[in-house]
Amino acid sequence: DAGVTQSPTHLIKTRGQHVTLRCSPISGHKSVSWYQQVLGQGPQFIFQYYEKEERGRGNFPDRFSARQFPNYSSELNVNALLLGDSALYLCASSLARDRDSPLHFGNGTRLTVT
Amino acid sequence: LAKTTQPISMDSYEGQEVNITCSHNNIATNDYITWYQQFPSQGPRFIIQGYKTKVTNEVASLFIPADRKSSTLSLPRVSLSDTAVYYCLVGAGNTGGFKTIFGAGTRLFVKA
Repeated sequence: DAGVTQSPTHLIKTRGQHVTLRCSPISGHKSVSWYQQVLGQGPQFIFQYYEKEERGRGNFPDRFSARQFPNYSSELNVNALLLGDSALYLCASSLARDRDSPLHFGNGTRLTVT
Repeated sequence: LAKTTQPISMDSYEGQEVNITCSHNNIATNDYITWYQQFPSQGPRFIIQGYKTKVTNEVASLFIPADRKSSTLSLPRVSLSDTAVYYCLVGAGNTGGFKTIFGAGTRLFVKA
């Protein structure tokens, strides 16, 4: 079975631009979460979506938005990029939305903002 | 919010057993304890999950005392490829409206 896939794997953007990151969950997984990981730190929660609805949001500005499609894939959008948005963006899927359902992560999108 | 505390780093040698202890004093009655492993430039990988006593799978064992205020991940006979960051989470990291926190993790370095 294919794992969680994310695209692109690497991306370089200029400050002020917009970016869209994509995620395909494991087949059968209805929950998708997004995390930001800065070098040397643990992943920081951005969003969770379940059945196409936002179920949780972390402490990120409104420049960050996401959505989940009928096939459960998801997009993370970031507007007005700042240098501090440079990070590894991770997508994780899980079978259920409850707190103890293990997360399955993709290998992330490395975003560099110059 | 349940917070976890674990050592920042640990060193070991190949073939040794490694035990990483995590403190979670504020764990709630219905919380599970979950450990993830992360290699550089990869997403975290689920290792093991438990609620109480001992859980074992093909990769690791998880020991949880009766008061559940701490847990210990045990990696038997580590190899160089076990060099990674290990995260202890209360809950599985699947927030469902909660804000489960990934800490900085424990950086395990296995030497030859």
